[in-house]
Amino acid sequence: NAGVMQNPRHLVRRRGQEARLRCSPMKGHSHVYWYRQLPEEGLKFMVYLQKENIIDESGMPKERFSAEFPKEGPSILRIQQVVRGDSAAYFCASSPPGRALYEQYFGPGTRLTVT
Amino acid sequence: SQQGEEDPQALSIQEGENATMNCSYKTSINNLQWYRQNSGRGLVHLILIRSNEREKHSGRLRVTLDTSKKSSSLLITASRAADTASYFCATGSQGGSEKLVFGKGMKLTVNP
Repeated sequence: NAGVMQNPRHLVRRRGQEARLRCSPMKGHSHVYWYRQLPEEGLKFMVYLQKENIIDESGMPKERFSAEFPKEGPSILRIQQVVRGDSAAYFCASSPPGRALYEQYFGPGTRLTVT
Repeated sequence: SQQGEEDPQALSIQEGENATMNCSYKTSINNLQWYRQNSGRGLVHLILIRSNEREKHSGRLRVTLDTSKKSSSLLITASRAADTASYFCATGSQGGSEKLVFGKGMKLTVNP
């Protein structure tokens, strides 16, 4: 059973470009979380999704950021018109239904660098 | 704002010594979890303690929880160089979305 997969592992974008980060949850997991980690900081919750539904996006910046978890395929975190302050590590976690408070399995992260 | 705050923020010890990290939080919780992150890597779940538990062990790890003080501690006994990493506490709270709230982390260096 493969773990949570994220790609790309490293992404470099120039200011103003778009960044697309992908997350494939563990098999059987229907809940996906995105977290952002700034250098020397802890993880900050961004968004919680189930298949085809956004459950909680209270941690998402109001503009430029969006997330989806379609019926088929990976979850996507999309950042439009990136700025230098978006440079961070973005982690995805997945959990089985009803277990999110107890079991979240993290992917290796995508390190976004905005130049 | 962060729920958990780890203390100290950095700790350097010699191999074989014990390392103790503390975490304080602000609101009521369902559980508290500790994670480890090696440099440039993802997070690895270490141990979970529920709000109705006071102490839990797993191998060389011992975690305590004091809900009256809203604090937890993680003890790593007989530390090894491979324990060098950042350690984060995270709280899970019911009554809202099922998300974890992380502290800023503590950097542990174990010198061989």
